[in-house]
Amino acid sequence: DVKVTQSSRYLVKRTGEKVFLECVQDMDHENMFWYRQDPGLGLRLIYFSYDVKMKEKGDIPEGYSVSREKKERFSLILESASTNQTSMYLCASAGTNYGYTFGSGTRLTVV
Amino acid sequence: AQSVTQLDSQVPVFEEAPVELRCNYSSSVSVYLFWYVQYPNQGLQLLLKYLSGSTLVKGINGFEAEFNKSQTSFHLRKPSVHISDTAEYFCAVSTQTSGSRLTFGEGTQLTVNP
Repeated sequence: DVKVTQSSRYLVKRTGEKVFLECVQDMDHENMFWYRQDPGLGLRLIYFSYDVKMKEKGDIPEGYSVSREKKERFSLILESASTNQTSMYLCASAGTNYGYTFGSGTRLTVV
Repeated sequence: AQSVTQLDSQVPVFEEAPVELRCNYSSSVSVYLFWYVQYPNQGLQLLLKYLSGSTLVKGINGFEAEFNKSQTSFHLRKPSVHISDTAEYFCAVSTQTSGSRLTFGEGTQLTVNP
């Protein structure tokens, strides 16, 4: 069964920490995405990547960066975590047939 | 740029009743449309998608949606819901110019009561 795996389901980090969220897909998809999900706001795109070592800003990139060194792995980095980055983070990948496959999500709490 | 509006943030219904979750979109070019479902503490799962062809699309778990270009809508329907359909539902849109990038609506919480 094909899947997108996010390394952690729950994380608690302190303000100012550097945080890494990892995402791995096994479908050989070119496209990978990071969203955050907040109540009443739906899913908002942070960053996406169409190829290895390629990245593009989404709608809310401030305070985040990404890394895609290998096709199957797309990492989201919070350079200095803040309480307003407490959220559910969802990774997704997509091939050419449209439609995403999502990971199970990482619920991050910054204290 | 494209956008999606889900007209109801919450929809409560009784078990075995029909349900419609409303979605309108805005785009200046041809669209591809999707519905996703999210069960508590899980990621999103694809219910159905419209890429081209028949405007009535059937998906998993007995759901279907109809693409209406004149009304720019893609409403999701199920003739008889179950308790297990309780979840949050997201409508999403992409276009040929946006590539595989999806724009999501705010979500509709469907609660099925016994």
